[in-house]
Amino acid sequence: DIQMTQSPSSLSASVGDRVTITCQASQDINNFLSWYQQKPGKAPNLLIYDASNLETGVPSRFSGSGSGTDFTFTISSLQPEDVATYYCQQYTNVPLTFGGGTKVEIK
Amino acid sequence: QAQLVQSGAEVKKPGASVKVSCKASGFTFSDYYIHWVRQAPGHGLEWMGRINLYSGGTIHAQKFQGRITMTRDTSISTAYLDLRRLRSDDTALYFCAGGGGYYPDVFDVWGQGTVVSVSS
Repeated sequence: DIQMTQSPSSLSASVGDRVTITCQASQDINNFLSWYQQKPGKAPNLLIYDASNLETGVPSRFSGSGSGTDFTFTISSLQPEDVATYYCQQYTNVPLTFGGGTKVEIK
Repeated sequence: QAQLVQSGAEVKKPGASVKVSCKASGFTFSDYYIHWVRQAPGHGLEWMGRINLYSGGTIHAQKFQGRITMTRDTSISTAYLDLRRLRSDDTALYFCAGGGGYYPDVFDVWGQGTVVSVSS
C-alpha cells in the first residue's frame, strides 16, 4: 500500500496569512493526487485533483503543486471560512489512501 | 446538481451486519464509480472499496476481505455497502463518494454520511 504522510498535523495562522501543507508519498504517484477540505460534521469537499487542477467553483486562493512523491497545498490568504481539516489522497493504486489530515485553525 | 443521499444511522451489536444505501441523482448513474470511505471518531479518512456502477465490478481494501460486499441497483440509482461480523472498531461515519469520467477515483460528489455504532 502507498503511505501518504501529511505535515503538519495541525497549524494555527492569522487571517490573511499564507498557509502551506505538505504531503509525501511512499512511492512515485506521478501527479495522481487530490486535496479535500472537511469541515466539522460534514463530508469532505474536493478542492484539487491531478496535484494542481482546481475543481470548478473552488476559490483561487487554494492551489496545489508537486509530482512524484512530494506535494504541496497552499492557501494564499487564509480566510475564516477555511477553518477545516485538509486531506491529501493518492489515486495511482488501490487501495486508495489518504494522508492523516492537517487541522487548520485561526490564531 | 450531482447528489448522493445516504440512509440513516444504525446501531448494531458485535457480530451483526449492516447495510448502508446511497441514492444518486443529478448525474448519469452508470458513468460513475461509487466508493465507500469511513471515518472513525476523531480519526482520518479510510478507503474501503469501490463499485463500477456500469459493470458492477468491485474492488476493496484487503483489511475488509470476507466482510464487505458492495452492490448497486441501477433501476433505482442506488448503491449499497454490506459490512458483516461487525466489531466495536467498525464504529464510524460511513460515506459514499462518487467519481466519474476520466477521474473515477477522484471524489467529486459525497453523501452526507451514515453513522454506524457497534456496541454490546
